[in-house]
Amino acid sequence: DTGVSQDPRHKITKRGQNVTFRCDPISEHNRLYWYRQTLGQGPEFLTYFQNEAQLEKSRLLSDRFSAERPKGSFSTLEIQRTEQGDSAMYLCASSLDGKGGAETQYFGPGTRLLVL
Amino acid sequence: SQKIEQNSEALNIQEGKTATLTCNYTNYSPAYLQWYRQDPGRGPVFLLLIRENEKEKRKERLKVTFDTTLKQSLFHITASQPADSATYLCALGSNTGKLIFGQGTTLQVKP
Repeated sequence: DTGVSQDPRHKITKRGQNVTFRCDPISEHNRLYWYRQTLGQGPEFLTYFQNEAQLEKSRLLSDRFSAERPKGSFSTLEIQRTEQGDSAMYLCASSLDGKGGAETQYFGPGTRLLVL
Repeated sequence: SQKIEQNSEALNIQEGKTATLTCNYTNYSPAYLQWYRQDPGRGPVFLLLIRENEKEKRKERLKVTFDTTLKQSLFHITASQPADSATYLCALGSNTGKLIFGQGTTLQVKP
């Protein structure tokens, strides 16, 4: 299967701990997005990369959050000093920068984080 | 600020009927609009994309309309089936590719 993969699928941690999530996009896709989704809500944009460059970050992304895409392939999202409010599903999506700016994003299965 | 509204209450319909879901938005001029399906515990799955200069798009039993004057999109599933039961998300897109999602509408199709 060549879809978007995320690891781990589930993470339980204690408040104050650091966590790191990984996303492997579809191989030829040059754009990679991170979203956060809480129960009953749609995904909220966090940040995105074009190749290895991080081009936009949401105001939701506090200084405890950092994302990287070192070689323009996989990406990691790290949350430092986790808080209970960080509990959510973290979704990764990838796309191919298309003509006219319209593009389809392919989502991974998500990483569900629970902060105790 | 930008706001997207979808039917907050679940939509319950009988198998074989047409389901119509609504997406309204304010303070935004999207380059395109997309509809996604999401099943519990899974990531969203792309269904249809419609650009700002298009009025209607169809794919099998799915139809999307886009009215940039009313700032509204309608999503139709004809001849609905219990397997269509899921949450449907509307998303507005810009030329950067970033998507802004609505909260989703849950559809329940009863046999």
